[in-house]
Amino acid sequence: DAGVTQSPTHLIKTRGQQVTLRCSPKSGHDTVSWYQQALGQGPQFIFQYYEEEERQRGNFPDRFSGHQFPNYSSELNVNALLLGDSALYLCASSWDRDTDTQYFGPGTRLTVL
Amino acid sequence: AQTVTQSQPEMSVQEAETVTLSCTYDTSESDYYLFWYKQPPSRQMILVIRQEAYKQQNATENRFSVNFQKAAKSFSLKISDSQLGDAAMYFCAYRSIKRGANSKLTFGKGITLSVRP
Repeated sequence: DAGVTQSPTHLIKTRGQQVTLRCSPKSGHDTVSWYQQALGQGPQFIFQYYEEEERQRGNFPDRFSGHQFPNYSSELNVNALLLGDSALYLCASSWDRDTDTQYFGPGTRLTVL
Repeated sequence: AQTVTQSQPEMSVQEAETVTLSCTYDTSESDYYLFWYKQPPSRQMILVIRQEAYKQQNATENRFSVNFQKAAKSFSLKISDSQLGDAAMYFCAYRSIKRGANSKLTFGKGITLSVRP
């Protein structure tokens, strides 16, 4: 049973560019949440997708957007990259948005130069 | 808004010994979930243990157990018989029990645990 997968593993971009990160949830899961983890900090909630709609959003600007596909996979898009966007981006999935436990992927390390 | 505080940035334990990691939280809700996650250098966030606030009994998973003090809003993790593979960053996290809109996890800043051979 495949767990949560994310791609790419690492990514290097320059300021002002746009980036797309991808996540495939654990088999049987239909809800995907995205978190940003700055170096040495705990993850911060970006948003959650359920039934192909954004259901909940954290305190992140509109430059952060996402999408969920019919197969429950998800993308995180960040426009107009800033140096401060450099972080580990984690995807977590659950079988229901009300289920208490979220399972995390290995993350994508984004470096903005 | 809920907050989670982990005030110890680093801890160290001798292999085979016991260590306790501290966590406090603040919430106005009466029912919620609490979690401990482990993040090794590989970056994968792994669930260690979960606790439902409405349960009196402290959760236990093999060598891992919690001391949940609801009135004090304290949720500590005890690791018994520490192993080298326990070395990692540990995060305490909170989740509302409310259905629908509040399923996000709120994390503390984490604590780095090292295990001495």
